Amino acid sequence: SQTIHQWPATLVQPVGSPLSLECTVEGTSNPNLYWYRQAAGRGLQLLFYSVGIGQISSEVPQNLSASRPQDRQFILSSKKLLLSDSGFYLCAWRESGSGANVLTFGAGSRLTVL
Amino acid sequence: GESVGLHLPTLSVQEGDNSIINCAYSNSASDYFIWYKQESGKGPQFIIDIRSNMDKRQGQRVTVLLNKTVKHLSLQIAATQPGDSAVYFCAEGHRSSNTGKLIFGQGTTLQVKP
Repeated sequence: SQTIHQWPATLVQPVGSPLSLECTVEGTSNPNLYWYRQAAGRGLQLLFYSVGIGQISSEVPQNLSASRPQDRQFILSSKKLLLSDSGFYLCAWRESGSGANVLTFGAGSRLTVL
Repeated sequence: GESVGLHLPTLSVQEGDNSIINCAYSNSASDYFIWYKQESGKGPQFIIDIRSNMDKRQGQRVTVLLNKTVKHLSLQIAATQPGDSAVYFCAEGHRSSNTGKLIFGQGTTLQVKP
């Protein structure tokens, strides 16, 4: 069966510090991968998605970047965090190709920037 | 811009009653819709989905209704239980899309009173 892992689960960082959130998927090959952000009491905003190694699409301009160094690894990064980067970050995956688009989410990483 | 939105931010129901959570979408090209449940501090979990060629789909204690004429989606939960307390999101997508992106609404908080 497929599983998705995110870490760290919680993170408190000062403004201006770097960020690295990691996501890995097991039990599947060439998945589509996604990073969403959820502000407090709000919905999910799609930040990045990837349909293959090294292929990253950005949905909104921001202070963050994403990378996919391996087939089942998706990393969210920042060189210098802003207060507005605080939020709940969710990684998700689905089988590649077209069809029913059920995304499976990880447990999330809660980032607080102080 | 196009968006998926929810009519009510909070819904409070008595245990055992039926719950109805509504969602409006604006992208008439969307042909696939999903409901997710998110418990506090966790990632969203898939509940049920529906394709645009259907008006109704039933699961275990849940029913999703789709009205394409008015671009409206609803989730009905029968005999609501305390464990149903969570935030519910609707999401829209395109089955033919290779990217598998989903656009989420803002969410409705369901509170179940004992």
